[in-house]
Amino acid sequence: DIQMTQSPSSLSASVGDRVTITCRASQGISNSLAWYQQKPGKAPKLLLYAASRLESGVPSRFSGSGSGTDYTLTISSLQPEDFATYYCQHYYSTPWTFGQGTKVEIK
Amino acid sequence: QVQLVESGGGLVKPGGSLRLSCAASGFTFSDYYMSWIRQAPGKGLEWVSYISSSNNYTSYADSVKGRFTISRDNAKNSLYLQMNSLRAEDTAVYYCAGKNDYFDYWGQGTLVTVSS
Repeated sequence: DIQMTQSPSSLSASVGDRVTITCRASQGISNSLAWYQQKPGKAPKLLLYAASRLESGVPSRFSGSGSGTDYTLTISSLQPEDFATYYCQHYYSTPWTFGQGTKVEIK
Repeated sequence: QVQLVESGGGLVKPGGSLRLSCAASGFTFSDYYMSWIRQAPGKGLEWVSYISSSNNYTSYADSVKGRFTISRDNAKNSLYLQMNSLRAEDTAVYYCAGKNDYFDYWGQGTLVTVSS
């Protein structure tokens, strides 16, 4: 099974900050990676897929990059509505697995 | 608009069974993969199972293999999860999700609590 390791597990940031979250796969996943945002009590929301493709309707301040085993989610200028928990997920092969999550909190 | 509405959750004793349902609307359900994903209280996301668009392929997480069965009825735009031999560690919010091997669409979730 492919394990996904996200870092950091949490971070504190201010509105306007640039935020970077990383996700490392235990083996190469050929850009088969998605990112989700989840707010308390709500279902996750798809942000990006194929490592860097922005889902329709998602603001352009969200971007993704990476290749092989290492991937990054960047929020270029953090907005109040971005405080949430973020998860990566690989879909290279089953079992599909998620990272453990990164909670983005207000500094 | 796209809607996925789960039902069937509740309180069940260890060793018991439960069947979850998910009613889909707003997209061509029969064209797409569908999955179940769960989230234990205060924990992260865990993919549970998926089923291909035409019912001919299923896959399960090791944690549920042999106990859970995913199925779908494309005529009724519905997805199901039959859960048997439930354990305390199966306690979670269960989400129905689709439409690819990443998850564009999500339901609101249904809570399953396994406790005596």
